[in-house]
Amino acid sequence: ETGVTQTPRHLVMGMTNKKSLKCEQHLGHNAMYWYKQSAKKPLELMFVYNFKEQTENNSVPSRFSPECPNSSHLFLHLHTLQPEDSALYLCASSIKALVGQVVSPLHFGNGTRLTVT
Amino acid sequence: QKEVEQNSGPLSVPEGAIASLNCTYSDRGSQSFFWYRQYSGKSPELIMSIYSNGDKEDGRFTAQLNKASQYVSLLIRDSQPSDSATYLCAVNSGGGGSNYKLTFGKGTLLTVNP
Repeated sequence: ETGVTQTPRHLVMGMTNKKSLKCEQHLGHNAMYWYKQSAKKPLELMFVYNFKEQTENNSVPSRFSPECPNSSHLFLHLHTLQPEDSALYLCASSIKALVGQVVSPLHFGNGTRLTVT
Repeated sequence: QKEVEQNSGPLSVPEGAIASLNCTYSDRGSQSFFWYRQYSGKSPELIMSIYSNGDKEDGRFTAQLNKASQYVSLLIRDSQPSDSATYLCAVNSGGGGSNYKLTFGKGTLLTVNP
């Protein structure tokens, strides 16, 4: 049982739809992340939130819109996606290290398998 | 562009053998190194973390780090069919704070044959 829960597990949406992915962590972490995993490509960092503040937007198209209302919850709002956006979307959390400290590892949720038709 | 390179495999070993997985990274300033295991259709699961040069052992797993040569490896002793998965190497540059960025390799597919 993972301490990071993602819903839904699978999502099929048309290019004109609007949907949201949800992530909740029960580990007491204060940093949350969205990653995209496509076939035969490395995990790609999309967004980072530290203490609810977005600290990283890795050149992600505006059709992906993150929201972090508190340290335990993270959303990814999707609209007018393209077929190439079909992928596994992974949420992760960690303890935010201070500058100069070693960093803690990421803990991943089970992911949302997204298919854009 | 910080890069993490892994042989995509597949790496095939017989049951009971030692599986050796390798990873090289481009950023000399990297400080934290992780190995994740990912079963097909599942999310990555942390196996090992290593922060200083040398070996770190945890059960059947040993992580080895050589910062001078910029490589990190994972040895799996007494390999079991249940170890069959994709192994992801992840490297952090920039220490903590808002500079935390974990870069992943593409992963090495390991198959352990009974």
